[in-house]
Amino acid sequence: DIVMTQTPLSSPVTLGQPASISCRSSQSLVHSDGNTYLSWLQQRPGQPPRLLIYKISNRFSGVPDRFSGSGAGTDFTLKISRVEAEDVGVYYCMQATQFPWTFGQGTKVEIK
Amino acid sequence: EVQLVQSGAEVKKPGESLKISCKGSGYSFTSYWIGWVRQMPGKGLEWMGIIYPGDSDTRYSPSFQGQVTISADKSISTAYLQWSSLKASDTAMYYCARLPDIAVADYYFDYWGQGTLVTVSS
Repeated sequence: DIVMTQTPLSSPVTLGQPASISCRSSQSLVHSDGNTYLSWLQQRPGQPPRLLIYKISNRFSGVPDRFSGSGAGTDFTLKISRVEAEDVGVYYCMQATQFPWTFGQGTKVEIK
Repeated sequence: EVQLVQSGAEVKKPGESLKISCKGSGYSFTSYWIGWVRQMPGKGLEWMGIIYPGDSDTRYSPSFQGQVTISADKSISTAYLQWSSLKASDTAMYYCARLPDIAVADYYFDYWGQGTLVTVSS
C-alpha cells in the first residue's frame, strides 16, 4: 500500500497568516494515464469531509482561492494564504493512483 | 444539486447484521462510482471500497475485503454497506462519497454524504 505522511500533525496559526501542510507519498503518485490523483480534503468539526483540491492543484467548485495545492511525484503541499476562522479543522491528503486508495493521517489546523 | 443522503445512526450488538444506505440524487446515479470511507472515533479516514452502480463492479481495500459487502440498487439510486456479524471494533462513522463522471475517468471524491454513525456494544 502507498503510505501518505503528512506534516505537521498540528498547526496553530494566527488569523490572517498563512498555513502550509506537506504530504509525502511512499511511492510516485503518477498514474499510468499520466495524471496524478492527489487530492486534499477539509473536515470541519462535526462535519463530513469536503473536497478542496483535486489532481494536485485544481480547486473544486466553490473553494476559496486562498487555498492552493502544488507538488509532483511524491511531494505535495496545501497552502492557505490567509487563514480565516472557518478554516479550522483537519486536513487530509488522499491518493487514488493505486489501489487501495489511502489517506494521510490528517493535520489539525487551529487558531492561536 | 448533487446530494448523497445516508441512513440514520444505528446501535447494534456484537454478532448482529446491519445494512446502511446512501441515496444519490441530482445526477445520473449509474454513471458515477460511489465509495465508502470509515472514520473510527477520534481517528482519520480509511478507504473501504468503491462500486460502480451501472454494472456493480466493486473494488475493496484488502483491509475490508471479506469483512463488509458493498452493493447498489440502481433502480432506487442507492448504495449499501453491510455487515453479516458486527464487532465492537466496527464502531465508527461511515461516509459514502462519489467520484466524478466515469466518462471523465478522474479519481477523487467530489461529493460526500453526511455520515452514518454505527455503534456496536453489548
